[in-house]
Amino acid sequence: AIQMTQSPSSLSASVGDRVTITCRASQDIRNDLAWYQQKPGKAPKLLIYGASRLQSGIPSRFSGSGSGTHFTLTVYSLQADDSATYYCLHDYNYPRTFGQGTKVEI
Amino acid sequence: EVQLVEAGGGLVQPGGSLRLSCVASGFTFGDYWMIWVRQAPGKGLEWVANIRQDASQIHYLDSVEGRFTISRDNSKNSVYLQMNSLRAEDTAMYYCARDRDYYDGTVHYDAFDLWGQGTMVTVSS
Repeated sequence: AIQMTQSPSSLSASVGDRVTITCRASQDIRNDLAWYQQKPGKAPKLLIYGASRLQSGIPSRFSGSGSGTHFTLTVYSLQADDSATYYCLHDYNYPRTFGQGTKVEI
Repeated sequence: EVQLVEAGGGLVQPGGSLRLSCVASGFTFGDYWMIWVRQAPGKGLEWVANIRQDASQIHYLDSVEGRFTISRDNSKNSVYLQMNSLRAEDTAMYYCARDRDYYDGTVHYDAFDLWGQGTMVTVSS
């Protein structure tokens, strides 16, 4: 199974900051990567698919980049509502695997 | 309203069985792959299984293959997860989600764009 490694595991930032989360795949997964946001007690929410494509309705301060084995999720101008745990997920093959998550505290 | 609603969770003893259900509304259920994802208390997300629109393709996480069975009934807009031989490590919130295909003109991507609220499964004696 492909391993997805996220870093950092947690971070603390302030409103207005730019935050970057990294996800590395154990093998080339092309652009087959999505990012999800999960708030406590809630279901995950799709932010980015295809590594860089913004899901409809998601604020443009969220941006994804990367291909192959190295991917990043950047949140420009962090807002209080962005406090959550963020997960990457590959859809290159089976089984699908998530990163371990990055908790963002504001 | 476009939504997914799970049911069927609860407390079960090790070795027992449970059947989870997920009912869809507000969209054409038969057009989508469907998936189950779980999350153990305080832990990360784990993909469990998925099923194609016509059930002709099914995939499982290795640790549940042979114990769990995913199925669907498009006439009832429902997807199911039959869980047998349950273990303590299966304790988790179980989410169903819609697997949407995105096509940009050259490449297909898929991602889980609609999620239910989850149903809790606790395996304990």
